[in-house]
Amino acid sequence: ILNVEQSPQSLHVQEGDSTNFTCSFPSSNFYALHWYRWETAKSPEALFVMTLNGDEKKKGRISATLNTKEGYSYLYIKGSQPEDSATYLCAFFYYGGATNKLIFGTGTLLAVQP
Amino acid sequence: SQTIHQWPATLVQPVGSPLSLECTVEGTSNPNLYWYRQAAGRGLQLLFYSVGIGQISSEVPQNLSASRPQDRQFILSSKKLLLSDSGFYLCAWDGTGKGYEQYFGPGTRLTVT
Repeated sequence: ILNVEQSPQSLHVQEGDSTNFTCSFPSSNFYALHWYRWETAKSPEALFVMTLNGDEKKKGRISATLNTKEGYSYLYIKGSQPEDSATYLCAFFYYGGATNKLIFGTGTLLAVQP
Repeated sequence: SQTIHQWPATLVQPVGSPLSLECTVEGTSNPNLYWYRQAAGRGLQLLFYSVGIGQISSEVPQNLSASRPQDRQFILSSKKLLLSDSGFYLCAWDGTGKGYEQYFGPGTRLTVT
C-alpha cells in the first residue's frame, strides 16, 4: 500500500512568521511529487511538480525541496500572510503504466492570523 | 483555455436517496477524467478514472458508480446513499494522457443525513 503522509496536520501562525511542512512518500519507484494549495470553496491549485532528487522550486514566498532517496519534501512559506491560509496537499505520482494516479496526503491546514 | 465545471456546488441528501454529480470539461478533447473524494479527516481518495467514452476504472469498492457518456462529461452516481458517502467530491482532468498533470474542478460538498 502506497502511503503519503503530511505533517503537521494543522498550523496556526502569526502574519510575518515563516513556516514549513513535511510530506513523506515511498522512496522506491519515484516519478514525481506534486504540491497543491487548496483554499476553502475553491479548486486545488497546482503549486509545484518536482521530479529530480535535490530539486528546489520557488514561487514568490513559497518554495519546496525534494529528497527522493529518503522520501520527503518540504514546503516553506516565508513571511506568511493571511492570504496564505489554505490546506497544502502533496501528491505522489504513482506510475504504474496502465494505472497511473496521484496519491494524496491528508494535507496541512495553515491558518495565518493578521 | 480549458475549464472544468462541476455541479451542484453543495448537496444535502437523505440516506437511501440516489445521487448524480456531473462534471464537464471545456477546451480540450479526449482528456483523462477523475473523480476524487475527501471524507472528513482523510486525504483525497481516487474513486474512478476514465481514459475515454465508456471506459471506467474503479479504484475503491463502494456503492458509487461512474459513467462517461460523452468525451468531456463524467458523471458520479449512486442508487442509495450511505452516511459514509458524505464528503467533498472533486472532478479532475489531465491532458497529458498519463495522469501526470491534473486540474481540478470547484467540487461538490455532499452531506448525507
